[in-house]
Amino acid sequence: GAGVSQTPSNKVTEKGKYVELRCDPISGHTALYWYRQSLGQGPEFLIYFQGTGAADDSGLPNDRFFAVRPEGSVSTLKIQRTERGDSAVYLCASSSGLAGISTDTQYFGPGTRLTVL
Amino acid sequence: QKEVEQDPGPLSVPEGAIVSLNCTYSNSAFQYFMWYRQYSRKGPELLMYTYSSGNKEDGRFTAQVDKSSKYISLFIRDSQPSDSATYLCAMSATTNFGNEKLTFGTGTRLTIIP
Repeated sequence: GAGVSQTPSNKVTEKGKYVELRCDPISGHTALYWYRQSLGQGPEFLIYFQGTGAADDSGLPNDRFFAVRPEGSVSTLKIQRTERGDSAVYLCASSSGLAGISTDTQYFGPGTRLTVL
Repeated sequence: QKEVEQDPGPLSVPEGAIVSLNCTYSNSAFQYFMWYRQYSRKGPELLMYTYSSGNKEDGRFTAQVDKSSKYISLFIRDSQPSDSATYLCAMSATTNFGNEKLTFGTGTRLTIIP
């Protein structure tokens, strides 16, 4: 596609439920990122994939959060036993991922707005 | 203390004014400095990046970095109502910021008044 797409655009769930958020990166981009943006805050890094593997998952807040990218393109962020504090906009970004390209840009999707009641 | 500090505003200025947006940082490892613009209910989009101290100009926008003071700025000349958005500074501790997590400031909400 022309840009990064994310589905759903909005998700309302109840405390304790399981949710999946999907990201479709720009075609051909090997690097994919998940960030979380709480109200009035800047995006906070969650996890970074290079291809199918998680190169850096240091931002995942706890073991309720998990992300996969089984074929190196689409990624799914999974949140178990959701809590009200998980409410935020979850942003996905992708970049070409080419090593040595110092000006490689991260392109962001519009985000999924998650509300946990 | 956060690694990147940014005044959240809000900031309102009349059309045509010069806007100054700033961030400070504490991590000396940061090497690349970026400014993103985020419209309401949209994802951030990259405006400018720079990696050396000094100024970089792109049209009405000028990015300034002072590594000795750990201070970066974005100046917008001849501001337009379409510039109304949240401006986020972001930093990367690598020379290859397409392959590294970004650390963002809080964002400054800017409104240009016609």
